[in-house]
Amino acid sequence: KQEVTQIPAALSVPEGENLVLNCSFTDSAIYNLQWFRQDPGKGLTSLLLIQSSQREQTSGRLNASLDKSSGRSTLYIAASQPGDSATYLCAVMDSSYKLIFGSGTRLLVRP
Amino acid sequence: GAVVSQHPSWVICKSGTSVKIECRSLDFQATTMFWYRQFPKQSLMLMATSNEGSKATYEQGVEKDKFLINHASLTLSTLTVTSAHPEDSSFYICSAVRHSTTDTQYFGPGTRLTVL
Repeated sequence: KQEVTQIPAALSVPEGENLVLNCSFTDSAIYNLQWFRQDPGKGLTSLLLIQSSQREQTSGRLNASLDKSSGRSTLYIAASQPGDSATYLCAVMDSSYKLIFGSGTRLLVRP
Repeated sequence: GAVVSQHPSWVICKSGTSVKIECRSLDFQATTMFWYRQFPKQSLMLMATSNEGSKATYEQGVEKDKFLINHASLTLSTLTVTSAHPEDSSFYICSAVRHSTTDTQYFGPGTRLTVL
């Protein structure tokens, strides 16, 4: 059974800092991996999607990497801003095409 | 494009009543929609997969008679929580895909259900 773990569970950093969020999964037979942002009480915003054949994806200040063989992905946020404060969720699409989510990292960027 | 809406955004009901939540794909036809549940400070858990014109497929541990799903058209799926109890209070989120289950899922804004 696929399990997705995110570390750390919570993170508080000063504005401007570069930071890394980690995601690991137990079964490397994934179709793709996706990072989402969730603001309190809101739905999900897709940030980056990495296909299983890809190593990384970039969008603005965000960069996500994927090492399928080791079951790991990282989300790198450059020059963090208070507006980046949210919960970041990692999800893998497994071999049955279902999304399995991690429990998220709650990020607070202090002004 | 690829906007998904949910209605209502929040609902409060008495224990024992039934609540219907709608999920609509506004600018595309969705062959498949998914229903997730999220408890406070926890992640999303898939409840069921809904395909237009056929019965929903429920995940293990999800009671199909309690959580009724209807996908009557390519733009609308409904989740009805029957005889709701306080333990059903949660954040319910739907997602929709255009062509196949391997496509990108577009998520709705969620519905907060509180059962008194």
